[in-house]
Amino acid sequence: DAGVIQSPRHEVTEMGQEVTLRCKPISGHDYLFWYRQTMMRGLELLIYFNNNVPIDDSGMPEDRFSAKMPNASFSTLKIQPSEPRDSAVYFCASSTHGASPYEQYFGPGTRLTVT
Amino acid sequence: SQKIEQNSEALNIQEGKTATLTCNYTNYSPAYLQWYRQDPGRGPVFLLLIRENEKEKRKERLKVTFDTTLKQSLFHITASQPADSATYLCAIRGYQKVTFGTGTKLQVIP
Repeated sequence: DAGVIQSPRHEVTEMGQEVTLRCKPISGHDYLFWYRQTMMRGLELLIYFNNNVPIDDSGMPEDRFSAKMPNASFSTLKIQPSEPRDSAVYFCASSTHGASPYEQYFGPGTRLTVT
Repeated sequence: SQKIEQNSEALNIQEGKTATLTCNYTNYSPAYLQWYRQDPGRGPVFLLLIRENEKEKRKERLKVTFDTTLKQSLFHITASQPADSATYLCAIRGYQKVTFGTGTKLQVIP
């Protein structure tokens, strides 16, 4: 398997623009997680899905952030409008209740810079 | 409030020595605790999971201990190598929700 795939790897945008981050989880995984990592706050869980349904979005910072999972192989995290404080690395991770039920597999991340 | 604390200062050790990293937590009663490794520019990679009823877990040169009384986990790398240089994150697991510490950067000096 190719692992968790994220795109783009780098995104530079201006304040006020809409940003869409994409994630393809590992095939067969039924949990998908979106995290944000900064030097100050470390790795923070934003939202997670089970079987394409959002289960916990309490980590989503505000209404400017939204996430969708239209099918088992694709998820998006959208920021509209973006602000400089949104600059961070955004990770997607997936897992399953299979052989290793508690192991999360992370993608390579999207480095977002908002100017 | 709930906290997961790892030594924010980098840990520098000589190759061949044992590296010991600490993870302390407050206001959690975790059933599981995990350790991940993160290299620059990459996502975290799962290393080990230890359950609350396990005192110690080993995997090759890695050893994790879990003391629920002290609310602490120790992560040991024996016979450390320069390739072990990375940031190590501890994570406390709730029901499918994992909260991460900020990580400790380990540098193994040849």
